[in-house]
Amino acid sequence: GQQVMQIPQYQHVQEGEDFTTYCNSSTTLSNIQWYKQRPGGHPVFLIQLVKSGEVKKQKRLTFQFGEAKKNSSLHITATQTTDVGTYFCAGYGGSQGNLIFGKGTKLSVKP
Amino acid sequence: NAGVMQNPRHLVRRRGQEARLRCSPMKGHSHVYWYRQLPEEGLKFMVYLQKENIIDESGMPKERFSAEFPKEGPSILRIQQVVRGDSAAYFCASSRALADSYNEQFFGPGTRLTVL
Repeated sequence: GQQVMQIPQYQHVQEGEDFTTYCNSSTTLSNIQWYKQRPGGHPVFLIQLVKSGEVKKQKRLTFQFGEAKKNSSLHITATQTTDVGTYFCAGYGGSQGNLIFGKGTKLSVKP
Repeated sequence: NAGVMQNPRHLVRRRGQEARLRCSPMKGHSHVYWYRQLPEEGLKFMVYLQKENIIDESGMPKERFSAEFPKEGPSILRIQQVVRGDSAAYFCASSRALADSYNEQFFGPGTRLTVL
């Protein structure tokens, strides 16, 4: 079945450093979504990318969707302690509604 | 506008008991999705329901697990004869229409199930 892989699994950074997480799908995706989950919390939708090669920015966060629509990345510039959490990418599987999540990248930020 | 509501937030059961998890979708949403999250893992899709219909249950274990979304009332995820391996966070999400490129899923706060 379709798989969504994310690397790295963990990332520890000093506050002010940049952070990137990468997402790869075994099949072409119609779209990719990114979520953030704080410790003990629930996934919160960040953004959705639909077009091949699409790049979207949200303040210090930059999201990219690959040309082949099989990979994506999330880059955070100058991390802050409020960025702590696990970042998940997700794409739709064979049937609509069936969101397939990557295992996430857990980000910790040292002040 | 209240978000997706789930209760209970925490549930403790002994092995062999039944667990019932409830999810009330956002107002105006008729599509509900259940996901399971094991510690340090991503979310795994379990089942997708519309009112009174199961649309996709490909992620649901064949035994002991069932889900419903009646015409009136919340969606229920039922786990019979729970085992320790069922301990996880169970998240419900809802969308206005079929979740795809144009309809976002909104997640509830989750139910943390602990099986003793």
